[in-house]
Amino acid sequence: NAGVTQTPKFRVLKTGQSMTLLCAQDMNHEYMYWYRQDPGMGLRLIHYSVGEGTTAKGEVPDGYNVSRLKKQNFLLGLESAAPSQTSVYFCASSGSSGTSGRGAETQYFGPGTRLLVL
Amino acid sequence: AQKITQTQPGMFVQEKEAVTLDCTYDTSDQSYGLFWYKQPSSGEMIFLIYQGSYDEQNATEGRYSLNFQKARKSANLVISASQLGDSAMYFCAMRERSNFGNEKLTFGTGTRLTIIP
Repeated sequence: NAGVTQTPKFRVLKTGQSMTLLCAQDMNHEYMYWYRQDPGMGLRLIHYSVGEGTTAKGEVPDGYNVSRLKKQNFLLGLESAAPSQTSVYFCASSGSSGTSGRGAETQYFGPGTRLLVL
Repeated sequence: AQKITQTQPGMFVQEKEAVTLDCTYDTSDQSYGLFWYKQPSSGEMIFLIYQGSYDEQNATEGRYSLNFQKARKSANLVISASQLGDSAMYFCAMRERSNFGNEKLTFGTGTRLTIIP
């Protein structure tokens, strides 16, 4: 049981390049999330998904796109990377709303991806 | 307005002492959840404790307890008998329901806790 995994762990991009970050979870969770973490700002939600085939915008969605073609995977895409997207990206997953109990609400995080855009 | 406020950017605590990390929140929802996460220097986010808005008792998980004062909208984390391994960044977070009825998590800016031997 690996929990939430993210690939790659670290990447350097040049301005204008594109890339995709992959998140995978093996806990059969309905909800998945992408966050970015910047110094002094905590974590901010980029996009999230409440189930296979669905996505929704979070607090800071501009410059990113996502897809949830399979329940266990959530992809974050940067079509044209900018230096402002230099950050640490975290993926998380949780059970669905409506299920009772703390376990359904808790988000479990992947190890993070460090992205540097030059 | 800040939804989650952590007023202590950093704290230094002597080993074996108890420590309280402050968190206040702002929401108009009746149903919400409060979480604490730990982020050590290795970078991963580790879930510590959860408190539901309707829970009448304060949550406890081993050495961690959550001092939930609903009327004051505070959800402070208490760590008893601190250990060197407790040195980390601590984030308070709140789960609310979005316009679509789904759950979103909003994080505070964190408190860096350093345990002194």
